[in-house]
Amino acid sequence: QVQLVESGGGLVKPGGSLRLSCAASGFTFSDYYMSWIRQAPGKGLEWVSYISSSSSYTNYADSVKGRFTISRDNAKNSLYLQMNSLRAEDTAVFYCARVGAPKYFQLWGQGTLVTVSS
Amino acid sequence: SYVLTQPPSVSVAPGKTARITCGGNDIGSKSVHWYQQKPGQAPVLVIYYDSDRPSGIPERFSGSNSGNTATLTISRVEAGDEADYYCQVWDSSSDHPVFGGGTKLTVL
Repeated sequence: QVQLVESGGGLVKPGGSLRLSCAASGFTFSDYYMSWIRQAPGKGLEWVSYISSSSSYTNYADSVKGRFTISRDNAKNSLYLQMNSLRAEDTAVFYCARVGAPKYFQLWGQGTLVTVSS
Repeated sequence: SYVLTQPPSVSVAPGKTARITCGGNDIGSKSVHWYQQKPGQAPVLVIYYDSDRPSGIPERFSGSNSGNTATLTISRVEAGDEADYYCQVWDSSSDHPVFGGGTKLTVL
């Protein structure tokens, strides 16, 4: 079954850190770019970051640059997002997504909620 | 940074046709993709590359793109089509994706 399953969300205090994971199954993970996209409560979709299939290239939204780090382990079919210096405005559901060509999101996980609050 | 503009809401009666627009500067020169998101669920791709449908998406969903406006058209609208719809392009200047603000489709 082709799917993405996120985990690692939760409640964290401002300034804290959290690591999200995304487990892929049912397809050749190492063939695809992968991405994180978030959605604040009641708001629209906001792209966060993406990583190339071999990890050679990454890109980040200005709102998270320098605080978040995307990575992947193709041997484990897993995508990660290390989030540091978290702020209240980072509160959102975080989705991992498989990037299709030409550059759209063809498969999404169910999302994991990150709440930044004291 | 490239900006995509969508109407906040569109309403349509069952059985009629809904048209959701996505505006952007010379958007006709870009590939536009559309996502459907029902309450409490993850987004689902419904149109890619302007007008292509992924497998499993009904033929009632179609797309077009020209000039400064892309359009998602839903024919013979059903109650189950009620959702938020987002357009998306890839901004080549920044090499990252851009989403529209989303349109809430209400079936009357």
